[in-house]
Amino acid sequence: AQSVAQPEDQVNVAEGNPLTVKCTYSVSGNPYLFWYVQYPNRGLQFLLKYITGDNLVKGSYGFEAEFNKSQTSFHLKKPSALVSDSALYFCAVRVFKAAGNKLTFGGGTRVLVKP
Amino acid sequence: EAGVAQSPRYKIIEKRQSVAFWCNPISGHATLYWYQQILGQGPKLLIQFQNNGVVDDSQLPKDRFSAERLKGVDSTLKIQPAKLEDSAVYLCASSPPIAGGQETQYFGPGTRLLVL
Repeated sequence: AQSVAQPEDQVNVAEGNPLTVKCTYSVSGNPYLFWYVQYPNRGLQFLLKYITGDNLVKGSYGFEAEFNKSQTSFHLKKPSALVSDSALYFCAVRVFKAAGNKLTFGGGTRVLVKP
Repeated sequence: EAGVAQSPRYKIIEKRQSVAFWCNPISGHATLYWYQQILGQGPKLLIQFQNNGVVDDSQLPKDRFSAERLKGVDSTLKIQPAKLEDSAVYLCASSPPIAGGQETQYFGPGTRLLVL
């Protein structure tokens, strides 16, 4: 069975400081990893994904994530956080199987960026 | 390009009543998903369609939930009868026909259901 853990329920950071949201995963096989963001009363918005290749993935709104196979992690980062980055962030994992490929989400991390 | 459309946005019903949600995916997206997101949790897949066929419904409570995608485009999710624990946001997503699990899922705004 595949699973995702987001160990922090909430991350607080001052505007302009670096932001890191942690994610670890457990799968049998090679993982495909995704980050989504959810603003209040909105659906999930895709940020970035890792499929293969370069371990550092760059995505929307200045976010990036680093795939670390040995630590089974895929932490989301932003060098300089904005107040508008305050939202709920979800990490998700999928492994390709012929009979379908379910995307499993973590429990989410709430990010609060203070001015 | 238009995103995933869902309606209604909000619904309040009493327990034991029935309710239906509608989703129209992004044009050309063969795969459609319904997720349940309970407050404070990540989305959980209920059912996945490939065109008009079901790929995965292993987590769909089939005694009360049903879903269909008759023409391979839009889809309806129904709950009958509803229970208090069905209170959640129901998210619809779609993805393009790219094989191998690499495809990105695009989500609609969701339907927030409150069962009293």
